[in-house]
Amino acid sequence: EAQVTQNPRYLITVTGKKLTVTCSQNMNHEYMSWYRQDPGLGLRQIYYSMNVEVTDKGDVPEGYKVSRKEKRNFPLILESPSPNQTSLYFCASSPGRTGQPQHFGDGTRLSIL
Amino acid sequence: GEDVEQSLFLSVREGDSSVINCTYTDSSSTYLYWYKQEPGAGLQLLTYIFSNMDMKQDQRLTVLLNKKDKHLSLRIADTQTGDSAIYFCAESKGNTDKLIFGTGTRLQVFP
Repeated sequence: EAQVTQNPRYLITVTGKKLTVTCSQNMNHEYMSWYRQDPGLGLRQIYYSMNVEVTDKGDVPEGYKVSRKEKRNFPLILESPSPNQTSLYFCASSPGRTGQPQHFGDGTRLSIL
Repeated sequence: GEDVEQSLFLSVREGDSSVINCTYTDSSSTYLYWYKQEPGAGLQLLTYIFSNMDMKQDQRLTVLLNKKDKHLSLRIADTQTGDSAIYFCAESKGNTDKLIFGTGTRLQVFP
């Protein structure tokens, strides 16, 4: 089954404790992206990757890192999480050709205390 | 600038039609999308339309695009309780895969 898998689905942690949210897709997609969803703001792009070893900032990259060492994986790293990063996070992927829709994971709800 | 706007709430009676509206500002958008988000779930692609089209119909869903006014709408015929969800419109930027999302419209269907 074609899917985008995120882990964990839920996480409660404390300020400053490094965490990683994993994202994996099994569709051989070139393009991957991370979004955060906040009430009243919709989804905002954090980082994206056009292909292996190619990453770039989205609209709200501060406080986040990503890597793309393999085509299927695109982890999101919070080196020193803060409460304002409490949010619902989505990973998405697409073939990378214009107009091909993005497929989304089920989301990761992060709470930073 | 980049801005996609939607009304926040819509309430309809079961069996009626729902119309969810969206306005965008970027005239270079090539594709416009509608996604559905059910509680606790990710975003499910409902339909999308290329910017040179005026209308697209897919079963109960009809998408209308007014490119001159930069207005996009999603009509759901015979709305059911299972249609209750948040609906996001999104535009893609030119030749990139970047999506700009609206704030989402929460559709509530009552019996």
